[in-house]
Amino acid sequence: EAQVTQNPRYLITVTGKKLTVTCSQNMNHEYMSWYRQDPGLGLRQIYYSMNVEATDKGDVPEGYKVSRKEKRNFPLILESPSPNQTSLYFCASTFTGVRSPLHFGNGTRLTVT
Amino acid sequence: GQQLNQSPQSMFIQEGEDVSMNCTSSSIFNTWLWYKQDPGEGPVLLIALYKAGELTSNGRLTAQFGITRKDSFLNISASIPSDVGIYFCAGQLTGAQKLVFGQGTRLTINP
Repeated sequence: EAQVTQNPRYLITVTGKKLTVTCSQNMNHEYMSWYRQDPGLGLRQIYYSMNVEATDKGDVPEGYKVSRKEKRNFPLILESPSPNQTSLYFCASTFTGVRSPLHFGNGTRLTVT
Repeated sequence: GQQLNQSPQSMFIQEGEDVSMNCTSSSIFNTWLWYKQDPGEGPVLLIALYKAGELTSNGRLTAQFGITRKDSFLNISASIPSDVGIYFCAGQLTGAQKLVFGQGTRLTINP
């Protein structure tokens, strides 16, 4: 089944403790992206990647890192999480250059205390 | 960054009623998309619009790409309980993969 898989689905952590949220897609998509969803703000892009070893900042990149060493994986790294990063995070992927819809994972709800 | 203004932010309707929501932008887009998010899941694409003035239907859903390319609306006819969720509009520029999302419209249906 074609899908974008995020792990974990839920995560509670403390300020400053490094964490990684994994994202994997099995559709051979070139483009992958991370969004955060906050009430009243919709989905805001954190980072995106056009292909392997090609990543770039979105609208709200501060406090986050990403890497794209393989086509299928696009982990989101919080080196030193803070409470304002408490949010619902979505990974998404699609093909580049064609009219292809963005496929979303099921989300990771992160709470930083 | 760019933002889309989506309204209304929430709707409370009776089952069977029609629903209308819209998105406006100060910038033009070449593609307008409408997504639905069910509780506990990621957004799923409902309708994609690629041409100014285009009117597209998907079952009981109808969406239009505004002539100015700065707005779009989504209508749902004869709402049913499974229509409950959050609806997002998104704009995209040709050649750019980035989507700009609206704030979402939360739809609640009273049976």
